[in-house]
Amino acid sequence: AQRVTQPEKLLSVFKGAPVELKCNYSYSGSPELFWYVQYSRQRLQLLLRHISRESIKGFTADLNKGETSFHLKKPFAQEEDSAMYYCALYGGATNKLIFGTGTLLAVQP
Amino acid sequence: DSGVTQTPKHLITATGQRVTLRCSPRSGDLSVYWYQQSLDQGLQFLIQYYNGEERAKGNILERFSAQQFPDLHSELNLSSLELGDSALYFCASSVEFKGSPLHFGNGTRLTVT
Repeated sequence: AQRVTQPEKLLSVFKGAPVELKCNYSYSGSPELFWYVQYSRQRLQLLLRHISRESIKGFTADLNKGETSFHLKKPFAQEEDSAMYYCALYGGATNKLIFGTGTLLAVQP
Repeated sequence: DSGVTQTPKHLITATGQRVTLRCSPRSGDLSVYWYQQSLDQGLQFLIQYYNGEERAKGNILERFSAQQFPDLHSELNLSSLELGDSALYFCASSVEFKGSPLHFGNGTRLTVT
C-alpha cells in the first residue's frame, strides 16, 4: 500500500529554534517524495522535492530509505514559516500522488 | 493569472442533489488531479486525467465522476449528495502525468445541508 504518515498535527516552536517536521512513508517501489506548503490565505504550493536535493527558504529534506522517512528540517525557524505543511509521495507503479494529513507549524515570536 | 482556476468558490446544496465543480488547469498543463479535503482526513486523492484520459483513480465514490474535456478543463460531478460529502475540493494541474510538481487551485468549498 502507498501511505504517508505525518504524526504531528501541530508543531509549535519559538522563533530561532530548529524545526523538524516528520514524514514517514510506505511504498514498495522507488518513491518520489515532496513537501507542499500552504500559507494562510494562499494556495497549496510545492516547497521542495527530494530529487532536486535543494534548499528552499532554508528548508531541507533528506530521503532516508532505510527508515522510510523524509523529514523536513530548518535550523532556525522564522515567524513567516508558520503554515500547514504536507508531505506527499508519488508512486510510479500506481501513478498516484498521495498526501499526508499535514502538520501545522506555528512559530511563536 | 494563468494559474489553476476553480469555480464556484462556494457551493451550498441539499442532500440528494447533484453538483458540478469545474477546473481550468494552468496554461500548458495537460494533467488534472482532484482531491477532497475533509476536516480530519487531509487531502484524499480522487482521480487524475491526462490529456483527456483517466490515468489514476483513488478513493472516489461511485456517486462521483469526472472528465477532462478537449480544451483540458475538467469537471467533477457529485451526485446523491450526503452530509459527509461536505468538504473542500481541490483541483491541481501539472505538465506531465508522472510525478511532476502540482499547481493547486483555491478549491471549492461544498456544504451539504
